[in-house]
Amino acid sequence: EPEVTQTPSHQVTQMGQEVILRCVPISNHLYFYWYRQILGQKVEFLVSFYNNEISEKSEIFDDQFSVERPDGSNFTLKIRSTKLEDSAMYFCASSEGQGGQETQYFGPGTRLLVL
Amino acid sequence: GESVGLHLPTLSVQEGDNSIINCAYSNSASDYFIWYKQESGKGPQFIIDIRSNMDKRQGQRVTVLLNKTVKHLSLQIAATQPGDSAVYFCAENVGYYGGSQGNLIFGKGTKLSVKP
Repeated sequence: EPEVTQTPSHQVTQMGQEVILRCVPISNHLYFYWYRQILGQKVEFLVSFYNNEISEKSEIFDDQFSVERPDGSNFTLKIRSTKLEDSAMYFCASSEGQGGQETQYFGPGTRLLVL
Repeated sequence: GESVGLHLPTLSVQEGDNSIINCAYSNSASDYFIWYKQESGKGPQFIIDIRSNMDKRQGQRVTVLLNKTVKHLSLQIAATQPGDSAVYFCAENVGYYGGSQGNLIFGKGTKLSVKP
């Protein structure tokens, strides 16, 4: 069964450093998403991406964040200068069709710890 | 603001019993609802979804009920098994025609514990 994969599974970084989280969405999916989950809290939407551009983003997704689809299979989330409060699980998701109409499938997540 | 919330943070059931997990939503414009299961250390796993033009949908051992009048969503799990132990999230979306590009709004989650 096809699934979304994410690397690394864990990432520890120093405050102020840049991190890149990587995702490989399901191969025939066209819509991609990033969510985060701070420990013990709700899953929160960050950004949706389609046709090589951001289609929607939340207030959390400020100028420190960026997304990219560098090739035909990878989808990345970059945090330019990490802050302590960026520590969270980051989930990538993908859907075949537009996410308000089609199921979003989630990856296993990357646990980011900012020290 | 608009929110999706859960009535009970924890639910403990005996193996073999049926489980009912409830969710309230406040955005009357939401037209797509999903239940996800999250096991410890893993990502949300899709269970079942329902659109606002339906009030019931059944899957394998699971049923989702949608009551738009009172803005309530429930997940019923039949013959609950130890492997069902997890946190269950409901999520909503206002849909493309509501101006959304896929922004799922999640509830806080209900932890289901199944006692053998």
